[in-house]
This record gives sequence, C-alpha cells and structure tokens, in this order.
Amino acid sequence: EAGVVQSPRYKIIEKKQPVAFWCNPISGHNTLYWYRQNLGQGPELLIRYENEEAVDDSQLPKDRFSAERLKGVDSTLKIQPAELGDSAVYLCASSLDSQREGQGNEQFFGPGTRLTVL
Amino acid sequence: AQTVTQSQPEMSVQEAETVTLSCTYDTSESDYYLFWYKQPPSRQMILVIRQEAYKQQNATENRFSVNFQKAAKSFSLKISDSQLGDAAMYFCAYRRGIIQGAQKLVFGQGTRLTINP
Repeated sequence: EAGVVQSPRYKIIEKKQPVAFWCNPISGHNTLYWYRQNLGQGPELLIRYENEEAVDDSQLPKDRFSAERLKGVDSTLKIQPAELGDSAVYLCASSLDSQREGQGNEQFFGPGTRLTVL
Repeated sequence: AQTVTQSQPEMSVQEAETVTLSCTYDTSESDYYLFWYKQPPSRQMILVIRQEAYKQQNATENRFSVNFQKAAKSFSLKISDSQLGDAAMYFCAYRRGIIQGAQKLVFGQGTRLTINP
C-alpha cells in the first residue's frame, strides 16, 4: 500500500514569491492534516480536513496561507507571499477516520517538503 | 492547552544497550492518547508506539516499551538492545480523546538519539 505522497521534497524561493505544496493521502483516508515543523522543534498543526471540509484551521496564518482539498482526496497548501520565517518542513499526514477509536485514527505522515526562503 | 515537554535534547547509547527517553505532559483531560514517533534524516515520521490513557498496562512493541505514569503525567520510552537503525529524532506526542473532538497531535521538542557502535 502506497503511503502519503508529497511533492516537491525540496523548494528554495526568494522572499515575496509564491509557493505551493501538494499532498496525496493514503487511499481511503478521510482525514488530512498539514503540519509545519520549524528547525529543531516538533511539528505544529496548520489545518485539518475531514473529507473536503476544513474543520480546524485556527493555526493557519490566513493572511498569506491558503489550503484546499478538492474532492476530498489530494490537497494543496499555498503561501503567498512567502516570508523568511516560513522556512520550515511542511508535513502532510492522513488518517482513516479521526472519529474512530483505536488504530483507525492513527496518523500516517509523508516525507515532507523542506522550504527555504532566501 | 495541552503541552508536551522533552527535557533531553540529545541522548547517546552504545549499540546493544538500553536507553530511556523522557517525556512529561500537561493536561486536564482524562481521555487521551500518547505516542512516540521516530523521525530519521529522511524526515518521515514513523509511529513507534502508542498508549491509551485508560489502559493501565504499559504498551510494548518488540524492543520498545513505555513507562506510563498517569498521575505523574510521565511517559518515557525504553529502547532495549539498541541498534544503529534506531538513531533518529524521537518525538513524544499527545492527542485528546475522540469525545473531546480535537484530533491534532501536540508534539514535544524532540530528543536526538545517537547510537555508538
């Protein structure tokens, strides 16, 4: 079974430029998460989707960040314009059903996209 | 808000020996899950072990086991017979129970584990 796929793996951009990250979750997983991991820290949730609906985006800086999950499958996370402080690893994760007890709500992570803003 | 603290930024152990990584957390909830994730240089988070708060028995997965002290809000990871492939960043994480509705993982700062051959 294929895992969570993310692209690109690395991205280097100049500040004020736009950038987009793509995530393909595990087939059949209803819940999708975007986390940001700053250097030397643990990941922090940016947004969570239940199918197509964004149900927790309280940590998403909405002035420059946007996300979408069309048809409840793939998702894109966009930053426009990027700032120096946005340099981080952006991790996507998915789970079968976040409302299910036990292993059904286990989150599986992708390899992440390392963003460097110059 | 829930917080997770890992007080050991780095740890090292000789190959084949045992090492324990520490984690404490703060919550007022009674229903929650605790996890240890491993993050190798490839960056992919890999679940090592999970513990449901309502279970008194400590979770074990092969060479990995936890010491879950609910009253003390402590959740340490013991790695027995350490192998070179265990070298990675290890993150302790907390998640509220299903009833509370919030499904995000709250991570600690991580512990970098080095295995000496």
